[in-house]
Amino acid sequence: AQKITQTQPGMFVQEKEAVTLDCTYDTSDQSYGLFWYKQPSSGEMIFLIYQGSYDEQNATEGRYSLNFQKARKSANLVISASQLGDSAMYFCAMREGRDSGYALNFGKGTSLLVTP
Amino acid sequence: KAGVTQTPRYLIKTRGQQVTLSCSPISGHRSVSWYQQTPGQGLQFLFEYFSETQRNKGNFPGRFSGRQFSNSRSEMNVSTLELGDSALYLCASSLPGIKNIQYFGAGTRLSVL
Repeated sequence: AQKITQTQPGMFVQEKEAVTLDCTYDTSDQSYGLFWYKQPSSGEMIFLIYQGSYDEQNATEGRYSLNFQKARKSANLVISASQLGDSAMYFCAMREGRDSGYALNFGKGTSLLVTP
Repeated sequence: KAGVTQTPRYLIKTRGQQVTLSCSPISGHRSVSWYQQTPGQGLQFLFEYFSETQRNKGNFPGRFSGRQFSNSRSEMNVSTLELGDSALYLCASSLPGIKNIQYFGAGTRLSVL
């Protein structure tokens, strides 16, 4: 069963606008971590932001913030003031309890295009 | 600090051949994980090594193997290549800890003809 679901295959946003990329997850573990990565066309996966299951506050990193709703099992990425360089694939990923090692489960990704 | 380095960046092989990919982690990182990315299956976990020991393995056939050296550098090997092995192979390294953020290299793009 898919553990990470990203329902938006593609998104458009105008430069300087904010955009929200959706991510829902499925786990029975109490301890888990949620990650967002950006993958430009070059292929490298760039870490953006992390949210731990026990973190009480939503994570923020510069223009990136995570809207974490634990009861709904969602971890949406919010990019504020979009820039042309934000155009890329965005992946949500989850790492479950320590017994699973440190393997990440990835969603299928959302392709974001920022237009002038 | 240098990032994760993967070599080579591109490879072209034919069916039945074998291939070895290399990954040098960020200095000080002792955990290395490998992932396969294809358009159809997305990103899938292959295996993870920590202190030269395979700690976790994904659901891939035995043709896929790996190892880690004492300096934390890692290699993965695919034997008897199939057309479906064409993919971007990504390596990630991390420090142990609560967050265990994985930092990825640029990947090796393998084409099997």
